[in-house]
Amino acid sequence: QVQLVESGGGVVQPGRSLRLSCAASGFTFSNSALHWVRQTPGKGLEWVAIISHDESHKYYIDSVKGRFTISRDNSKNTLYLQMNSLRAEDTAVYFCARDPGITLVRGHLDYWGQGTLVTVSS
Amino acid sequence: DIQMTQSPSSLSASVGDRVTITCRASQSIGTYLNWYQQKPGKAPKLLIYAASSLQSGVPSRLSGSGSGTDFTLTISSLRPEDFATYYCQQSYSIPWTFGQGTKVEIK
Repeated sequence: QVQLVESGGGVVQPGRSLRLSCAASGFTFSNSALHWVRQTPGKGLEWVAIISHDESHKYYIDSVKGRFTISRDNSKNTLYLQMNSLRAEDTAVYFCARDPGITLVRGHLDYWGQGTLVTVSS
Repeated sequence: DIQMTQSPSSLSASVGDRVTITCRASQSIGTYLNWYQQKPGKAPKLLIYAASSLQSGVPSRLSGSGSGTDFTLTISSLRPEDFATYYCQQSYSIPWTFGQGTKVEIK
């Protein structure tokens, strides 16, 4: 069955960096676009970034452009989110999620990981 | 960015009730509208995609409708496992955006 397992969350000071990982199994990883979505009590669910199946396309929400980088290693079935220059407002639970399209993006998210908590605080 | 507005923000209902949740987009999005259910401490679960297509494994008492700017999620007869928070999401244009959520509570 499809599984997505995030890791790498934790407490980090403002301005520092953190890298999240999402290990995938149960599907052909290299065929699927993947997303990062975050959730805070105050702002609800917020889509963060998407990467195409072959890494040729990457898109981000404006608030993280230039600070976050989404990447993937299709040989390791792993998705990453490198987060630099972290701010208090980046505090959230971060989910990775799969797009069900095969080598194309359909825009809905059919499988989600359990989430990893990132807390940005001094 | 396309703004998604859900109503109501919360509702109280009883088992067996018919429940309707509304989602409105700030501009026309065709049928690029998806619905998710989330329970406390869990990840969202896809219920409906493309406005009215039921995700595999989702019970048929849930249904979605609408196009353009106005959409609805209907639960025909509420069951105990349906008490949760529901979110709509547009996939018409990047950045994809979610509604603020509708919490369905037990009356």
